[in-house]
Amino acid sequence: QKEVEQNSGPLSVPEGAIASLNCTYSDRVSQSFFWYRQYSGKSPELIMSIYSNGDKEDGRFTAQLNKASQYVSLLIRDSQPSDSATYLCAVFSNYQLIWGAGTKLIIKP
Amino acid sequence: EAQVTQNPRYLITVTGKKLTVTCSQNMNHEYMSWYRQDPGLGLRQIYYSMNVEVTDKGDVPEGYKVSRKEKRNFPLILESPSPNQTSLYFCASSPVQGLNTEAFFGQGTRLTVV
Repeated sequence: QKEVEQNSGPLSVPEGAIASLNCTYSDRVSQSFFWYRQYSGKSPELIMSIYSNGDKEDGRFTAQLNKASQYVSLLIRDSQPSDSATYLCAVFSNYQLIWGAGTKLIIKP
Repeated sequence: EAQVTQNPRYLITVTGKKLTVTCSQNMNHEYMSWYRQDPGLGLRQIYYSMNVEVTDKGDVPEGYKVSRKEKRNFPLILESPSPNQTSLYFCASSPVQGLNTEAFFGQGTRLTVV
């Protein structure tokens, strides 16, 4: 059974600080990794994708991938109240996206 | 505007009454899928389709049917809904289920079965 694990939170971070979200996965042959943001009652939207080991930066967001440790993370710098949402980690493997249950992030003004 | 459209957005029904949730995309995507989302469980795939007339079971297919007669449409059918199918449902499409694929989601359908 392929699994993607995330801490459900909530993770509370002061405005302006760095939020760090983590995800582990079980399938060693996983090829692609995604972070989606989901506001309450809304559909998920893609924030970042990463395919190779290392860091990938896009504005305030940095995705980090370590395939040896089967670990992917998302850093949000200069956190804003509008970043408050649930963040879903998704791993692509064998024609399927396997989803984590999500981490609820709360940015406190 | 490129989008995935689901209908209805909200539905309350009774046990055993057949229902269909429609999904349509205007992006000419080959890959479409249905998910259900329940608290603490994340998104679980119900069925997916690689192309017209090609469908396959996801992780939780029991109690659901799908069809893919046209590329743009991928309806989800509940022949005899039960209360344990009360959930938030999402349809999603992708240009191709490849390495760098982004899934585009519909607005969601909140289903309650009483």
